[in-house]
Amino acid sequence: GAGVSQSPSNKVTEKGKDVELRCDPISGHTALYWYRQSLGQGLEFLIYFQGNSAPDKSGLPSDRFSAERTGGSVSTLTIQRTQQEDSAVYLCASSYIGTQYFGPGTRLLVL
Amino acid sequence: SQQGEEDPQALSIQEGENATMNCSYKTSINNLQWYRQNSGRGLVHLILIRSNEREKHSGRLRVTLDTSKKSSSLLITASRAADTASYFCATDGARGGNTGKLIFGQGTTLQVKP
Repeated sequence: GAGVSQSPSNKVTEKGKDVELRCDPISGHTALYWYRQSLGQGLEFLIYFQGNSAPDKSGLPSDRFSAERTGGSVSTLTIQRTQQEDSAVYLCASSYIGTQYFGPGTRLLVL
Repeated sequence: SQQGEEDPQALSIQEGENATMNCSYKTSINNLQWYRQNSGRGLVHLILIRSNEREKHSGRLRVTLDTSKKSSSLLITASRAADTASYFCATDGARGGNTGKLIFGQGTTLQVKP
């Protein structure tokens, strides 16, 4: 079947604008994760959804960041009032048990 | 925050040679995974080793895990130019069957020269 997909592939926005990033996980995967990779940095955990449980938001860097997962499938990561330091590749992953499978990422550039 | 460190940060070898990358971590884990990343985009899962395993093989890949030293190594044998990429280890300390958040190392950039 299809892997994890993300859209858009690339997003350029102006400082202060809001952006929405979308993730379509692998069908049947109950867990969904968002990570961020800044230039020259490692991968940083943002948020984790598991079934109907409350999400683990411990990695969100500020209250400008939020995410939701509708119907236990598609997820949207929203960044409000974007800042230049938000520029990064945002990666989504899903899993059933064990291995996390990653999407191709969304490269966000905030001017 | 990052779980630990990987070394070396960068590695350059000739095609056909073996490449060894090391990863250290700080907390107890359920499993440790290795990923490859090409051109700063999506990560490709290579291999998962559970905390009760000491060694695992997959094709040209060999992974070891030493929980007493909180370290792991990834060996790529008979390297190819196509193996050029960044390699990350990631640990999962969650309880239960499914993985929680992964904590990644800083990665090793491998260059295999043809």
